[in-house]
Formats: sequence, C-alpha cells, structure tokens
Amino acid sequence: DGGITQSPKYLFRKEGQNVTLSCEQNLNHDAMYWYRQDPGQGLRLIYYSQIVNDFQKGDIAEGYSVSREKKESFPLTVTSAQKNPTAFYLCASSIGLAYNEQFFGPGTRLTVL
Amino acid sequence: QKEVEQNSGPLSVPEGAIASLNCTYSDRGSQSFFWYRQYSGKSPELIMFIYSNGDKEDGRFTAQLNKASQYVSLLIRDSQPSDSATYLCAVSGTASKLTFGTGTRLQVTL
Repeated sequence: DGGITQSPKYLFRKEGQNVTLSCEQNLNHDAMYWYRQDPGQGLRLIYYSQIVNDFQKGDIAEGYSVSREKKESFPLTVTSAQKNPTAFYLCASSIGLAYNEQFFGPGTRLTVL
Repeated sequence: QKEVEQNSGPLSVPEGAIASLNCTYSDRGSQSFFWYRQYSGKSPELIMFIYSNGDKEDGRFTAQLNKASQYVSLLIRDSQPSDSATYLCAVSGTASKLTFGTGTRLQVTL
C-alpha cells in the first residue's frame, strides 16, 4: 500500500523544546516537501528536497531544520527558535521537482503549551 | 498583491447544482495548475491538475485554464453534500515550487 505517513498525529510541546516530526514515503518519489498551515492562510513552504543529502529553504525556514539521509524519509525539527510553532504541519512528495503533482501525508498538529 | 488569490467563501450551492470555484495568479510564467480538496482537519487531496489552456474533465470535475487572463477555475457538476470542503488552488511558477491560495470553502446544501 503506497503512501506517505506522518507521525505523530498530535504533538504537544513546551516552550523551549525542540521536537522532530516524522515523514516517510514508499512511493519511490525523489522530491519531498514540508509545509505549515495556519487558520485562514494557505500552505507555506518550509523546506524541500530534490534528492538524498540535499535540501533547500522554502519561504519560512527560520526556526526549522531538516535532513534527508534516506530517499524515503524527510524529518522536520521544529527548534526553540521558531517563535510561533503551533500549526498543522504537512509533508508532501512528488516524483521529482519538475513534476509538481504533490501528494500529502495526513499531517501533524503541533501545539505549544 | 497575493500571488494566488481565491475568494474565501463560503460558496453555498444546492445539491445537484454546479459549483464554480475561481482562482487568479500573478506570475505569468506559471506552468502548472492544481486543485486540492481539503476536508476540515484533514490534509489536502489532489483532485485535478491542468497544464494547457482550455478545459480538462474528470468525472464530475472540470478544470479550466486561461493563461492570457491568468485564471484557473474548477467546476463541480451535480454537487453532493460530500463535496463540502475547502478547495485550494496551487500554481507552479518558474521555480517549480507550488504556491497555494488560501482556499474557498464550499457548502453543498440539501
């Protein structure tokens, strides 16, 4: 069963803590993306990766970090430097960067207490 | 000016009617255009994409693209209550990244 999985579904964090969100895909896609969604706003791109061991900043990368050690995995770390981290985080993948049909995982809802 | 603009709605249509959702974009170099459906609390689901001027039909959905006027629309025929959701328009520009609109909320009434 091909798809994108994200975990956890809900995450609660105290201020000052770093947290890592998991994203795994078994679609054999080269490109992966992280977005955040806030109420009333569109999806905003945080980071994206075209191939293993390579990634680029999106529009709102400050306070976030990523790694791409395996093709299937693209974890996102929300650091304590992110001033307003409460949001719905969405991971997506596509065949390649030039093929823009992106498919989304179920998302992680992060709440900072 | 927002790069991708959508009316936030809600757009209310009766069951069985045609729902028309519109999106305008600012980058004339945009190449690819997508419509996603997002139910409340869920992630976006790709329902249509279009690359060339004109119409593209898939079941009850039709995407329409007019690059000269920089707009893309989605028509939903025979609207059903299950179509009630937020519809996100996404546009791929010259950098091959997607830019999303804020979405239009559609309500299909009985």
